Amino acid sequence: DAKTTQPPSMDCAEGRAANLPCNHSTISGNEYVYWYRQIHSQGPQYIIHGLKNNETNEMASLIITEDRKSSTLILPHATLRDTAVYYCIVSENAGNNRKLIWGLGTSLAVNP
Amino acid sequence: DAEITQSPRHKITETGRQVTLACHQTWNHNNMFWYRQDLGHGLRLIHYSYGVQDTNKGEVSDGYSVSRSNTEDLPLTLESAASSQTSVYFCASSASGQLYGYTFGSGTRLTVV
Repeated sequence: DAKTTQPPSMDCAEGRAANLPCNHSTISGNEYVYWYRQIHSQGPQYIIHGLKNNETNEMASLIITEDRKSSTLILPHATLRDTAVYYCIVSENAGNNRKLIWGLGTSLAVNP
Repeated sequence: DAEITQSPRHKITETGRQVTLACHQTWNHNNMFWYRQDLGHGLRLIHYSYGVQDTNKGEVSDGYSVSRSNTEDLPLTLESAASSQTSVYFCASSASGQLYGYTFGSGTRLTVV
């Protein structure tokens, strides 16, 4: 079973910030939080990852709570091209002896 | 530019036939993975490889096999296709130890009739 819980769907207006929550209450100390997205029928695409601190890149920001039991992916100015399924995944980042467990993700619809 | 390609994009086959899906990457990644994706399920890991001559079973490996004879290719073979194997198949690759470096192919839609 996936180690994360996400809402099945969300809506966002174009140009507004999209805030996608993820619950990972059983996360262990050496596990990272990863976000990927999958645009219709394409392969998933890496967005961002983090361990404890908040992270930002050209695509998004990742806010992780102090107890690390939940996080939020923020798309600051959502566009129609951000309509996709967003997956939150937790896993170790060391060595090869691990696998990604994919849940059902959050289907984000960005509306004009 | 480096890339990962899957072929064919679409395939229809008959029950009982052997089918091979191709995955080729030019990233020089050690790690390669095969996933299947079905409605109501997330991506599920079929087989994976951490290098040449290395293969490992994932969570849904029954009825599938892989071989890794070089760095670039990890073909997925369905020994005897079944209707339950109708799915979209994704291949991915990554450098060692980098979960954020997963690069996915465009997928193969397989229909078993």
